[in-house]
Amino acid sequence: GQQLNQSPQSMFIQEGEDVSMNCTSSSIFNTWLWYKQDPGEGPVLLIALYKAGELTSNGRLTAQFGITRKDSFLNISASIPSDVGIYFCAGQLVYGNQFYFGTGTSLTVIP
Amino acid sequence: GAVVSQHPSRVICKSGTSVKIECRSLDFQATTMFWYRQFPKQSLMLMATSNEGSKATYEQGVEKDKFLINHASLTLSTLTVTSAHPEDSSFYICSARDRATNEKLFFGSGTQLSVL
Repeated sequence: GQQLNQSPQSMFIQEGEDVSMNCTSSSIFNTWLWYKQDPGEGPVLLIALYKAGELTSNGRLTAQFGITRKDSFLNISASIPSDVGIYFCAGQLVYGNQFYFGTGTSLTVIP
Repeated sequence: GAVVSQHPSRVICKSGTSVKIECRSLDFQATTMFWYRQFPKQSLMLMATSNEGSKATYEQGVEKDKFLINHASLTLSTLTVTSAHPEDSSFYICSARDRATNEKLFFGSGTQLSVL
C-alpha cells in the first residue's frame, strides 16, 4: 500500500491555541480527506478536498489540498477540549480506487 | 452525512471458528466498499476493495482465502474471517463510497474482534 506520512505524530496544546498538521506522500493524489477518530469508533469525516490548491473550511477546521497534489494540511483554530482525538488524512491516488491513510496525529487539549 | 452501519461491534470467538462482519450503507448506494484493519494506536491499513457484483481486490500481503469478501448488493458487503486465530484479533472497519456526494468515503463504527 501507499505510505502517507503525517506530522506531527502527537500534539499537546492549551485550550484556545491553534493547531496545524500535515500529510505528505511521494505519490500524486486526486482526493484528500481528513478524519477524526475517537477510541473504539470508526473515523468521522471532517473535510473533503478534490482540487489542487483547494481551501475548505468546516467551522473551526480548515484544510488545504497542496498544489503539488502530494500533500494536504489541516488547521484547527481556537482548540477546545472536545477536539481531543486522533486525526487522520486519507488520499486517493490519481489512478486507482483505493484510499490510503496517514499515520495519524494524536491531539491532546489541556483545559 | 451518509450512514454506514457495521455489525457486530464486538465479537469474541474461539480459535478456528469463522466470523462474519456486515457493512451496510443505510441511505445511499455504495458501488465500492473498503475494508480496513487497525491495530491499537496505529493507522488504518487497507485490506481490500470490494466492488458490487465482482471479486474483491486485495492489497499485497492480505490472504484472500483468509479474509473472504462478498459485495452482493449496492448496500451490503461482508467480510468473513475464516478459521480465525489470535493473530487475527484486531479492529476491523468498513467504509463505503457515496457516488452521489462527490466520492466521499464514510465509515462504519468498526468491529473489535478478539480470538481466544
